[in-house]
Amino acid sequence: AQSVTQLDSHVSVSEGTPVLLRCNYSSSYSPSLFWYVQHPNKGLQLLLKYTSAATLVKGINGFEAEFKKSETSFHLTKPSAHMSDAAEYFCVVRGLGTSYDKVIFGPGTSLSVIP
Amino acid sequence: GAGVSQSPSNKVTEKGKDVELRCDPISGHTALYWYRQRLGQGLEFLIYFQGNSAPDKSGLPSDRFSAERTGESVSTLTIQRTQQEDSAVYLCASSPTPRANEKLFFGSGTQLSVL
Repeated sequence: AQSVTQLDSHVSVSEGTPVLLRCNYSSSYSPSLFWYVQHPNKGLQLLLKYTSAATLVKGINGFEAEFKKSETSFHLTKPSAHMSDAAEYFCVVRGLGTSYDKVIFGPGTSLSVIP
Repeated sequence: GAGVSQSPSNKVTEKGKDVELRCDPISGHTALYWYRQRLGQGLEFLIYFQGNSAPDKSGLPSDRFSAERTGESVSTLTIQRTQQEDSAVYLCASSPTPRANEKLFFGSGTQLSVL
């Protein structure tokens, strides 16, 4: 079975400080992992994805994530937060099941950026 | 069109009425997903279609919910005898194949309000 846990429902950082959004997953298979961002009243946008190539993945807007198999984690980071980063962030696991594909979203982490 | 199209964008209905939501995936995309997102919540998986295979209905919350897709084209999600707890944004997503490393392309959603 697959599942995704986002340990923090809400994270608040000051502008210019680092961002860390945590994600842990469980999967019976070798999954692909994604981070999506959802700005208020906007659609979902892909930030980055891991698909069994390099474990450190770089995405858009300065975000990156590191896949750590031993910790079953895929935490999202950014060195310096910008006001425009305030949004909801979803960690997603996708892997092939026995007879179907499943895409599981984590519950989301709301990021606030304080001026 | 170039993206996933959903209609209507907004739907207001009275409790007990039936509603039908439509999703036009990107042409050629074989995988299609429906999700529900309640206000301030994450994405809740509803149903998954892959080509002509039997759909994965494991996420449908009750027998009031049903969905159809003909081949690799349009999908409709039907909610019968709507209840106030059905109020949410219903998101449709498609991907070219069910391969795990493919990202999902999301529509802009249908905002359903049940009065």
